[in-house]
Amino acid sequence: GQSLEQPSEVTAVEGAIVQINCTYQTSGFYGLSWYQQHDGGAPTFLSYNALDGLEETGRFSSFLSRSDSYGYLLLQELQMKDSASYFCAPWYTGRRALTFGSGTRLQVQP
Amino acid sequence: DSGVTQTPKHLITATGQRVTLRCSPRSGDLSVYWYQQSLDQGLQFLIHYYNGEERAKGNILERFSAQQFPDLHSELNLSSLELGDSALYFCASSLSGSGTDTQYFGPGTRLTVL
Repeated sequence: GQSLEQPSEVTAVEGAIVQINCTYQTSGFYGLSWYQQHDGGAPTFLSYNALDGLEETGRFSSFLSRSDSYGYLLLQELQMKDSASYFCAPWYTGRRALTFGSGTRLQVQP
Repeated sequence: DSGVTQTPKHLITATGQRVTLRCSPRSGDLSVYWYQQSLDQGLQFLIHYYNGEERAKGNILERFSAQQFPDLHSELNLSSLELGDSALYFCASSLSGSGTDTQYFGPGTRLTVL
């Protein structure tokens, strides 16, 4: 299978900045997506990186370094509603599907 | 609302039984993906259909099968159900099924096998 690593849990306070890291297997890598999932809800798309660098969408940014097989999701000005699980999901050309790991559970505290 | 619909929302059945989960993709999307999410687990990719044809297979058991119909809706059939099959089953749709596509997820079907 394809190895994928991200922290299982992260805790931060309202208004803070948090970074969720993701390392993935290089072979056949095409691009990296990030999804958010609230408890009991469906995953929703946040961001996608195919090239190295930073993609910014409001309070959320995603970064990719293909040479390091590494990416991260940056959440700024944290709000209570950001408490959710966050999944990095690489796409591998051979697999023709996203690979989701176990995700990172973010808990935002007052 | 993602535009992807799944029925039923909840399903309770017994071991050994067979069930069918249904998914209607967003209007215009040709690809449908099925995922399984067990308690506190990540999403396990099961299968991907594009315009009626199977495109990719993931960790799908032989007891499970799927198809995509000419109107692009899809069904996931689970047979000889076991307790361990209890999970949330999501379908997602995307425009073309390429790596750059955003996948839009339905609300899921919660399957409980007793």
